Order: sequence, then structure tokens, then C-alpha cells
Amino acid sequence: GDSVTQMEGPVTLSEEAFLTINCTYTATGYPSLFWYVQYPGEGLQLLLKATKADDKGSNKGFEATYRKETTSFHLEKGSVQVSDSAVYFCALSDPSANAGKSTFGDGTTLTVKP
Amino acid sequence: DAMVIQNPRYQVTQFGKPVTLSCSQTLNHNVMYWYQQKSSQAPKLLFHYYDKDFNNEADTPDNFQSRRPNTSFCFLDIRSPGLGDAAMYLCATSRELAGTQETQYFGPGTRLLVL
Repeated sequence: GDSVTQMEGPVTLSEEAFLTINCTYTATGYPSLFWYVQYPGEGLQLLLKATKADDKGSNKGFEATYRKETTSFHLEKGSVQVSDSAVYFCALSDPSANAGKSTFGDGTTLTVKP
Repeated sequence: DAMVIQNPRYQVTQFGKPVTLSCSQTLNHNVMYWYQQKSSQAPKLLFHYYDKDFNNEADTPDNFQSRRPNTSFCFLDIRSPGLGDAAMYLCATSRELAGTQETQYFGPGTRLLVL
């Protein structure tokens, strides 16, 4: 079945540091890939997505590139801010699998210190 | 301009006392989902509705039921909450099923405490 493996956290960085959160996946078909962010006490929000190989999703300074050859969708940001502290979830939707279901990684907690 | 609204944000119930959580959406989406999330773990899908078509996950306990009386509203009923049901419950919507390229839109969640 489909699965998503995320870099284990927690991750603690200083403000303006470079961020990478690794995400790899297994899927039977050609999935769409997503990064969701969850701020403390809130629901998940879409951060960015990519729907086919080599697509780059970007939003709020975050980027991730859909790499089919390495089955990866790593999240990066060049300079993090304290306000980026949150839990980040990598997810996929596979149209050849159970069409009603997304598969989420376990989440990576990011703390950015001033 | 909240698009997916969950009420209440916090719910306290007693062990074994039925509780209902509600979700409404202004997006007119076809699909509504209920997830259970514990301690910043991955959200676990309980069930979803495509319009009026109900789809239960195989490992969702019978204690959890859902109703969708119309497009805008969906309810999660926990018939006899146990201590292990304490969690954040997330409602989400999407225009079409999540197995396509569709983005899911999440509500803020209801945190359930079972005493």
C-alpha cells in the first residue's frame, strides 16, 4: 500500500537558518504530493502541492520539488522565521489506490528560536 | 471568512456519555471527511461522505458514527466515549475525492476531553 515517510523531529533552528524536511513516499500509481502545516491549536492548512513529476510547489518562501526518480518531496526554506514554528505533514493522494483517501506522514515538529 | 467551521472548539464529556461534534462548510464541496488526530500524530481517517454516499474506514470502531443531513453540514457521533477517544477531531472537505489532485480544506478541529 501507499506510505509516506517523513524526517523525524523535532527540528529546532535559529531564525534565518536553512530548513530541509525530508519526505519520501511509496505509491502504486502516480500520486499528487502535498505539504500541510498545522500551527498550535489549529487544523491543517495546505502549504504547497505538486501534481506531477518535476513540478515545484512553492508558497510563503517554502518550496518542494516532486522527484519521481527518488520518490521524494523534500520541503525547503532558505530563511526560517519564528512564525514558521509548527508541525509539517507530507501527504499523497494516489488515484490508483483508494480514491477517497489521502496518506499522511507522521509529521515533523519545527521550532524556530529567535 | 472561515470556510470549514467546527463547533465547539473544545468539548468535555464523561466516560460513556454520547457526544456529537459538528462541522459546516461554505465551499459547497462534495466530499466531507472526519479525521482523528492524537498528539500531533498523522491524522487518521475515520470516514468520509461523497455527497450522501457514506464510506467507512475498515478500522473505524463502531462507536463512531456520522450523519450528513445536507451538503453543508456533517456530524460525528461518538456513542460511548472511552478515555482512548480523547483526541483532536478534524473535519475536512474537498471538491472531489482526495485520490485526485484535490486539496483538502481543514477546519480548526474540536479537541475532545473524556473524563
